[in-house]
Amino acid sequence: SYVLTQPPSVSVAPGKTARITCGGNNIGSKSVHWYQQKPGQAPVLVIYYDSDRPSGIPERFSGSNSGNTATLTISRVEAGDEADYYCQVWDSSSDHPYVVFGGGTKLTVL
Amino acid sequence: QVQLVESGGGVVQPGGSLRLSCAASGFTFSSYGMHWVRQAPGKGLEWVAFIRYDGSNKYYADSVKGRFTISRDNSKNTLYLQMNSLRAEDTAVYYCAKVFGLDDYAYFDLWGRGTLVTVSS
Repeated sequence: SYVLTQPPSVSVAPGKTARITCGGNNIGSKSVHWYQQKPGQAPVLVIYYDSDRPSGIPERFSGSNSGNTATLTISRVEAGDEADYYCQVWDSSSDHPYVVFGGGTKLTVL
Repeated sequence: QVQLVESGGGVVQPGGSLRLSCAASGFTFSSYGMHWVRQAPGKGLEWVAFIRYDGSNKYYADSVKGRFTISRDNSKNTLYLQMNSLRAEDTAVYYCAKVFGLDDYAYFDLWGRGTLVTVSS
């Protein structure tokens, strides 16, 4: 089965740039989506199709995907960005398609 | 407004059954694929199941295959998850989520608030 690997935690000072990686075998050939989840809340989409941003999501959020790593970048980090972030892909390598989530990364704003 | 509302969670003994519902409103439910995703306490997101807009295709995570059944009633704008032979490791908040657009393999653009299922004796 396909595995997505995220660092458990990332810490960054306010105003700095946070980069959250999502590793997977040839993930660059897949479409990667990113979700933000704050405590006690449902996930919210922040990046779709590698680098597109939904309406209402600040331009500070951006994404890239190449080779074996996809990256969510948050520029000028604010206290309100503190949350868990999950990457997600579809994989069709087994007998049927299925959804894969990364293990999640807790972003801490120092 | 556009929303998904889950219900049906609760406490059930190991080996028991439970049926979750997800009521959709504010959009044409019958046009979109739908998923169930769960999150064990303090853990990450785990995909559970997917159903195509018309119910013609269903996919399951290996961890629930043969025990859980996803279904939908487009006349009632409702998604279901029938859970049988429940185990302690099925304890989680269960979210329903909508697929964006008409592409089954797109992202989740709308999530419900979740319903908690606790499997315990």
